[in-house]
Amino acid sequence: GEEVAQTPKHLVRGEGQKAKLYCAPIKGHSYVFWYQQVLKNEFKFLISFQNENVFDETGMPKERFSAKCLPNSPCSLEIQATKLEDSAVYFCASSPRGDPGYEQYFGPGTRLTVT
Amino acid sequence: QQPVQSPQAVILREGEDAVINCSSSKALYSVHWYRQKHGEAPVFLMILLKGGEQKGHDKISASFNEKKQQSSLYLTASQLSYSGTYFCGTDQGGKLIFGQGTELSVKP
Repeated sequence: GEEVAQTPKHLVRGEGQKAKLYCAPIKGHSYVFWYQQVLKNEFKFLISFQNENVFDETGMPKERFSAKCLPNSPCSLEIQATKLEDSAVYFCASSPRGDPGYEQYFGPGTRLTVT
Repeated sequence: QQPVQSPQAVILREGEDAVINCSSSKALYSVHWYRQKHGEAPVFLMILLKGGEQKGHDKISASFNEKKQQSSLYLTASQLSYSGTYFCGTDQGGKLIFGQGTELSVKP
């Protein structure tokens, strides 16, 4: 597709429940990035993929967060045992290259609310 | 290292100009500018890679200083549609590290 697609648009989970978010990158883009936006403005990088391989996972809270990009499937970001502090908008972005200087195209985001 | 944006917020009347600054204590490899409207995804505006570079389209332009430690976004003759939060981002090994954002409100 010509746009990054994310599902669901909204997700509500009770504290301790699992949450799973999906992202379909633009066709032909081999890099996928996940960002977390909390408190309206602050963006935090979580993880990136080059095709199905993890490219950079320095932002991932590994104890509860995991992510995958498998061939012929949407990429996914999973949070086990959600906490109140996980409430945020999660954006996925894709890019044709991982080199600096390439635009990242953002999806519409998934708003996760943990109650 | 997170770039620092200034001002944090600005209110304009339609037709007025604004400048948003993005700076770092270290040279940046590149600067990406995005605009985000409330409840929406960030939308790409432009990328600057080279020291001294200037780019622009319509009435929005940006510059990157020679030392690559500061970038400025210029909005001239602002329109209501310019309202939103503007972010600069620096590319660190592919991932973007964003500034804290500048909220721009354009009033009629």
